[in-house]
Amino acid sequence: QKEVEQNSGPLSVPEGAIASLNCTYSDRGSQSFFWYRQYSGKSPELIMFIYSNGDKEDGRFTAQLNKASQYVSLLIRDSQPSDSATYLCAVTPFSGGYNKLIFGAGTRLAVHP
Amino acid sequence: DTGVSQDPRHKITKRGQNVTFRCDPISEHNRLYWYRQTLGQGPEFLTYFQNEAQLEKSRLLSDRFSAERPKGSFSTLEIQRTEQGDSAMYLCASSLHDTEDEQYFGPGTRLTVT
Repeated sequence: QKEVEQNSGPLSVPEGAIASLNCTYSDRGSQSFFWYRQYSGKSPELIMFIYSNGDKEDGRFTAQLNKASQYVSLLIRDSQPSDSATYLCAVTPFSGGYNKLIFGAGTRLAVHP
Repeated sequence: DTGVSQDPRHKITKRGQNVTFRCDPISEHNRLYWYRQTLGQGPEFLTYFQNEAQLEKSRLLSDRFSAERPKGSFSTLEIQRTEQGDSAMYLCASSLHDTEDEQYFGPGTRLTVT
């Protein structure tokens, strides 16, 4: 079982719709959860992080965390073609001091006009 | 620009040659991480520095790989006797030691071993 699992996609949504990206993780002791956006040929860009159960909103992005279900999601409202990218979910294991990131393989999002 | 910088951005080398990459973290960040990413995969952790101390090395980091951060500022990653399997994007990230510890990535160094 992979430590962090994501559907590879592509997830295709029309412009203006809500895109829902999901991620599950295996380590119940995971502490922190991050979403990165990665355009083709570029490096990951941090867009959201969440530490506590519930929702966290930042502009058009909402991260949702359910530690009991070991599930984290990212909602993108009013999707734009410029949101087309690979979205990487990352978690930090219970490491007792620092936060190396464990990444999923990413979900490719395609927003079509 | 106060982000993480990496040099070179691209490196093509022949199998068996040695290569060295440099990473300059965000100036106030005392934590520095190296990751490797291959096509279709998420980044994989290689090693971590807090200031000048290398505190963890992944099993992915064979004896041919060495990393340093001599003065707790920039870091170098050296690969000796490169192999075709070393071809990947090498990413550096930095963070500030606090409870949040968000990691910010540099642009990466794309290595191609021919």
